Amino acid sequence: QQQVKQSPQSLIVQKGGISIINCAYENTAFDYFPWYQQFPGKGPALLIAIRPDVSEKKEGRFTISFNKSAKQFSLHIMDSQPGDSATYFCAASISGGGGNKLTFGTGTQLKVEL
Amino acid sequence: GAGVSQSPRYKVAKRGQDVALRCDPISGHVSLFWYQQALGQGPEFLTYFQNEAQLDKSGLPSDRFFAERPEGSVSTLKIQRTQQEDSAVYLCASSLRVGTGELFFGEGSRLTVL
Repeated sequence: QQQVKQSPQSLIVQKGGISIINCAYENTAFDYFPWYQQFPGKGPALLIAIRPDVSEKKEGRFTISFNKSAKQFSLHIMDSQPGDSATYFCAASISGGGGNKLTFGTGTQLKVEL
Repeated sequence: GAGVSQSPRYKVAKRGQDVALRCDPISGHVSLFWYQQALGQGPEFLTYFQNEAQLDKSGLPSDRFFAERPEGSVSTLKIQRTQQEDSAVYLCASSLRVGTGELFFGEGSRLTVL
């Protein structure tokens, strides 16, 4: 059962363009939604995260948009750069004593071309 | 150390061999997670420790998989009688707090079972 669905699987964007990656979740108990960036041969690294009490969070060129009623959230990368080329994973978890166990999406391979 | 350290980085095993993968989390981090990442997929949860207590092992795929964290710091993931389907990258992550917050991932141990 895939609890977090991610699209697209791959994405090619021109330098300076906007990259948009979408995720949808099923479990309404999820209350923490991070995005992770992974370069080849490296572990995932936290990029930005949001909680459901806000609809948008922006950090530099990265913005998360969150739609609680639709159970969807998305990552927008503004002014995309070649250095942004990586695999991006959305994730979701339930905060609490059981640990912040993350459920990941399947990933989006982003390539930013010059 | 500065980050989560995993060893070995690469392991080749013949089918039926036992393997042990080590994780050295960030000093002082209470929570420790193991994830399995198949090629081209998102990380999948295996197990979770809070200090030395293994609180969730619901993601371990079979009883051939065993994890421990006896002193609440270093953890070992052991796979007995390895099978070809065990080939994957095994990621370790740690978190300072319980129940919430950023997970810091290591670079992973890539296991190839021949």
